[in-house]
Amino acid sequence: GAVVSQHPSWVICKSGTSVKIECRSLDFQATTMFWYRQFPKQSLMLMATSNEGSKATYEQGVEKDKFLINHASLTLSTLTVTSAHPEDSSFYICSVTGRWGTEAFFGQGTRLTVV
Amino acid sequence: GENVEQHPSTLSVQEGDSAVIKCTYSDSASNYFPWYKQELGKRPQLIIDIRSNVGEKKDQRIAVTLNKTAKHFSLHITETQPEDSAVYFCAASKGAGNQFYFGTGTSLTVIP
Repeated sequence: GAVVSQHPSWVICKSGTSVKIECRSLDFQATTMFWYRQFPKQSLMLMATSNEGSKATYEQGVEKDKFLINHASLTLSTLTVTSAHPEDSSFYICSVTGRWGTEAFFGQGTRLTVV
Repeated sequence: GENVEQHPSTLSVQEGDSAVIKCTYSDSASNYFPWYKQELGKRPQLIIDIRSNVGEKKDQRIAVTLNKTAKHFSLHITETQPEDSAVYFCAASKGAGNQFYFGTGTSLTVIP
């Protein structure tokens, strides 16, 4: 299966600052990556689809100016939470669809705490 | 878009008993249905999946059934063990390169 690495695993930031989360596909080139958000004891909510070389596709209700996604290469997608507020505190996780096109492989997730 | 519903939200069973989790989906174009197990603070791990051209699939103690007509699929875990305790998510996808839509999750507790 695909190996997906996400960094950092956890981050604490002050309210008003921006945080960048990286998602890397280590063993194959991913034209598409997905970003999810998970609140405690809740499901994974799809935020956006990251497309290599083009703009990300955001799900309804997700602020694209607040959650900036850049997919500059076939192995790296970044999610930047801009002007973070305490309500942005959550578990953010990326995924990649494997080379055979169906199974999703997840990064280890990033626990963001905004204080 | 796709809407995936999952029941129950919590489930407690005695060790050795069976556990069943059910999901429904809304988009008839969805054709791939994986089940993930997630332990606290960790990434989801695929435990079994089924494609729309198959009605049932089994892997040791785990099985999944799919009813395309009714748009529902179920996870069956037999001879449950304490290490099966986790949160389980179903998902639906339209296949290659498409996003996954997850159910709301089921917190399974296996009581020794």
